[in-house]
Amino acid sequence: KNEVEQSPQNLTAQEGEFITINCSYSVGISALHWLQQHPGGGIVSLFMLSSGKKKHGRLIATINIQEKHSSLHITASHPRDSAVYICAVRLGGGSNYKLTFGKGTLLTVNP
Amino acid sequence: DVKVTQSSRYLVKRTGEKVFLECVQDMDHENMFWYRQDPGLGLRLIYFSYDVKMKEKGDIPEGYSVSREKKERFSLILESASTNQTSMYLCASIPPAGFSEQYFGPGTRLTVT
Repeated sequence: KNEVEQSPQNLTAQEGEFITINCSYSVGISALHWLQQHPGGGIVSLFMLSSGKKKHGRLIATINIQEKHSSLHITASHPRDSAVYICAVRLGGGSNYKLTFGKGTLLTVNP
Repeated sequence: DVKVTQSSRYLVKRTGEKVFLECVQDMDHENMFWYRQDPGLGLRLIYFSYDVKMKEKGDIPEGYSVSREKKERFSLILESASTNQTSMYLCASIPPAGFSEQYFGPGTRLTVT
């Protein structure tokens, strides 16, 4: 059974700081997702990765397949980035779309 | 834009009641999922469906059933609600082919008293 571990569980930062959230998993995967959930809100997909690095605005996601590790970085953090960030992995390919989720990282960015 | 909607944002039911949670997506997605989300446990898969009338159990199907009579609609049924089913329930769908993100509904916060 694949385990998905995120660290840290909670993170508090000052506005403008560089943020890193980590995700490790235990077996081979076909894709990794980073998701964002604001308090009381639904979940939004930020990135889907199978290799390398992706960037969208101030957000950067990287994955190292050999080390079974991914990081989500936020540059120049802002209070509106405060949310729960969730890592999820897809184990199989083809028509297997099931995801296994980490428990999430609660990020609070103070002004 | 893909839209996934859920029938209620908040729901309060009594123990023993039959509860229906409905999810509708408007982009002809074949794969649909029901999750529950609890503090400290994260998202857990209850059931998923990869086509009309097709369903598969997820990791925690006990106490739940599902119905997929039409492609756009996936219903979660609590046959006899219990207090340990108090949770946030999230529906998601995914396009039919290739690697793609999952699209989530806004969630239904269910309280069983």
